[in-house]
Amino acid sequence: DAKTTQPTSMDCAEGRAANLPCNHSTISGNEYVYWYRQIHSQGPQYIIHGLKNNETNEMASLIITEDRKSSTLILPHATLRDTAVYYCIVRVASGGSNYKLTFGKGTLLTVNP
Amino acid sequence: DAGVTQSPTHLIKTRGQHVTLRCSPISGHKSVSWYQQVLGQGPQFIFQYYEKEERGRGNFPDRFSARQFPNYSSELNVNALLLGDSALYLCASSLEVFQPQHFGDGTRLSIL
Repeated sequence: DAKTTQPTSMDCAEGRAANLPCNHSTISGNEYVYWYRQIHSQGPQYIIHGLKNNETNEMASLIITEDRKSSTLILPHATLRDTAVYYCIVRVASGGSNYKLTFGKGTLLTVNP
Repeated sequence: DAGVTQSPTHLIKTRGQHVTLRCSPISGHKSVSWYQQVLGQGPQFIFQYYEKEERGRGNFPDRFSARQFPNYSSELNVNALLLGDSALYLCASSLEVFQPQHFGDGTRLSIL
């Protein structure tokens, strides 16, 4: 699995957009980019995933660069409840023997009032 | 719809004992995965099961075992518990093995 690099921590003002970057320069053509978050004392929560096109759902938007070497998770209007550790993960899309998620240390996003 | 449910939520054991953790996937999900999360780190992959077959195993000793039942629920067993096994054990389910995994809130295991 490709490794990812994320900032250790970020701050964001409540109501503003939170933009969380992730580098995955060794990603291969059949690997998806996944984003999860983990609020203290809870299990990780799936947010969004994508292969090469930008994706949007009710929680967030995922912007993947054309060369696929980096991506940005965007929370359009951050709230205090978005304070969490955000994990960027690359995972094989198909053809694998298993589809494990390899978590790094993630980014601690703190949303301030 | 109910999410992934795990039981028990908390458990205290002593060294050398055995433990069984249980997981019920989201209805209709056929794949279950197990992860271990020690304090301050991200979850680490232990096992993945699909249609009762083991599809993958992480770098954990043979003291760790698991199985998946015909109703797609799963058990994680750990024998000869060590202090280092103290962690949050997470179960995740997915509709098919290659689709997004959805996590439960885990079982907090403490070894004394």
